[in-house]
Amino acid sequence: AQSVSQHNHHVILSEAASLELGCNYSYGGTVNLFWYVQYPGQHLQLLLKYFSGDPLVKGIKGFEAEFIKSKFSFNLRKPSVQWSDTAEYFCAVISGGNTDKLIFGTGTRLQVFP
Amino acid sequence: GAGVSQSPSNKVTEKGKDVELRCDPISGHTALYWYRQSLGQGLEFLIYFQGNSAPDKSGLPSDRFSAERTGGSVSTLTIQRTQQEDSAVYLCASSLYNRGTIYFGEGSWLTVV
Repeated sequence: AQSVSQHNHHVILSEAASLELGCNYSYGGTVNLFWYVQYPGQHLQLLLKYFSGDPLVKGIKGFEAEFIKSKFSFNLRKPSVQWSDTAEYFCAVISGGNTDKLIFGTGTRLQVFP
Repeated sequence: GAGVSQSPSNKVTEKGKDVELRCDPISGHTALYWYRQSLGQGLEFLIYFQGNSAPDKSGLPSDRFSAERTGGSVSTLTIQRTQQEDSAVYLCASSLYNRGTIYFGEGSWLTVV
């Protein structure tokens, strides 16, 4: 069965530090990849997505992610984090096959201190 | 509507009672998902509806859980004989087409006491 792994469960950074959150998936065929963010007390929002084309995807609020097919990875990056980036970040994958359901990783909690 | 609407936003129920959670997707969206988010856990896939196709029920944790989608729009998630471990936020999401960008509602927070 397809799965999504986020190895960083809890990340603590100071403002202006660089961020990279790992995401790996298990499916070998065509995939659509997403990063969602959940700010405290708010609902899930889309940060960015990859369907096809340029594997370096730019999203909102200065986030970007790179799809590396050979590594089955879609890591999220931001060169300089802000306190307002404190949130939970979820990687998600839609694979092909018999269904198009969206499968999420377990999430990474990011805390940014001023 | 402008977004995915879920009701109730909060529900406290006694163990053993049945509950119904409602989801009104974005108008015109053909795909609808239900997820469960427990405290400190990720998002657990429950069920997926796409158009007139048979739903993917592979994530439903037990036969106490069921869901319907009437007329290709509103969906109801029913939990029978609720247990304390059912306490969670139940999230509904929809997308315009299969494999499209998915938009989430604010969730229904269920507490079983």
